[in-house]
Amino acid sequence: SQQGEEDPQALSIQEGENATMNCSYKTSINNLQWYRQNSGRGLVHLILIRSNEREKHSGRLRVTLDTSKKSSSLLITASRAADTASYFCATDLSYGQNFVFGPGTRLSVLP
Amino acid sequence: SQTIHQWPATLVQPVGSPLSLECTVEGTSNPNLYWYRQAAGRGLQLLFYSVGIGQISSEVPQNLSASRPQDRQFILSSKKLLLSDSGFYLCAWAGDEETQYFGPGTRLLVL
Repeated sequence: SQQGEEDPQALSIQEGENATMNCSYKTSINNLQWYRQNSGRGLVHLILIRSNEREKHSGRLRVTLDTSKKSSSLLITASRAADTASYFCATDLSYGQNFVFGPGTRLSVLP
Repeated sequence: SQTIHQWPATLVQPVGSPLSLECTVEGTSNPNLYWYRQAAGRGLQLLFYSVGIGQISSEVPQNLSASRPQDRQFILSSKKLLLSDSGFYLCAWAGDEETQYFGPGTRLLVL
């Protein structure tokens, strides 16, 4: 299996609910990043958490990192229809020279 | 501010024809540059990355090649396209902060 794998593959929620996505990886990392992709577009960086950090916030986003379990979670609070997109975790294995992306979670937020 | 351009936006090519996709970055110097391919509904596969002019690292053996003739120009090429080369090609750059910034992508369909 891949270095980074998101779970679930797809998630459908109502507007206003919270959305939680998980990412697991296999090897030691320098940092872990979450990206968002709207259909047919490029990826947009959301948040970066370093291997020595456990939690990070940015607006409605909360990311946690558990290096002992090799896992991370992305929480989007008070979701909006505009949050509908695919979300990817990416692990940085070598200080910007080797990024590995997971297959992504497709989030649908229903109005 | 930094911007990244990719062209063309879409491309339909016959099997066996050559390929040249171009990516240019503005507003930064000596970036790390990356080429990814994304199959429909899937994650990103790192194809090539470059840390400087003329320096190319290949992650996946295939009939594609990359070149970096100038500091902020990254080109993806093929001499003879295969059906399996169809996909969404994304160029990205990264600076010291290790975050990747993606271009809008090129959708390639090989018939």
